[in-house]
Amino acid sequence: KNEVEQSPQNLTAQEGEFITINCSYSVGISALHWLQQHPGGGIVSLFMLSSGKKKHGRLIATINIQEKHSSLHITASHPRDSAVYICAVRGNQFYFGTGTSLTVIP
Amino acid sequence: KAGVTQTPRYLIKTRGQQVTLSCSPISGHRSVSWYQQTPGQGLQFLFEYFSETQRNKGNFPGRFSGRQFSNSRSEMNVSTLELGDSALYLCASSPGHPDSTDNEQFFGPGTRLTVL
Repeated sequence: KNEVEQSPQNLTAQEGEFITINCSYSVGISALHWLQQHPGGGIVSLFMLSSGKKKHGRLIATINIQEKHSSLHITASHPRDSAVYICAVRGNQFYFGTGTSLTVIP
Repeated sequence: KAGVTQTPRYLIKTRGQQVTLSCSPISGHRSVSWYQQTPGQGLQFLFEYFSETQRNKGNFPGRFSGRQFSNSRSEMNVSTLELGDSALYLCASSPGHPDSTDNEQFFGPGTRLTVL
């Protein structure tokens, strides 16, 4: 049973494209995190959300608590955005999605 | 401020041995969480500590244990190592209480453990 489902698993985009990654979860949560992992392993927290919408530069994250769904949007994608994006939720423990591998082609 | 540090960065052990991994959180951070990452299972939650108390534990056997010290530094221990314990072990620290809805996590670089 996967408490967190992400889609798509893999995504290839041309530079400049608008990208959306989706996350659905099945448990009650207090917060949802979007993480970025580059090759080599380092993980960076992009967003922590408990409601609504947040924006950092070209990245936008939204969450709908009633529908148990979150989206991560990247506007004007760039090759440096190539990474794995992971959705994580905090319920009684942390649950992770399997990640979305994004490749942005120049 | 220095980031989260983990030692050692790489470790090779043999089956049946035990291992201790160390995590130093960002100065002032009181919450520390540990995660295991493998190609097959992805990221999985191990445990979470706040003010020297284990707050939550993931679904791992009792061979996996941890503790947090008064200076917020944390260690995790794996006894009787199995081949399947080969993984990247990540530590993350956060400044506030675990139940806070505004408690961003900052990840360390990880310790890559190989069990032969």
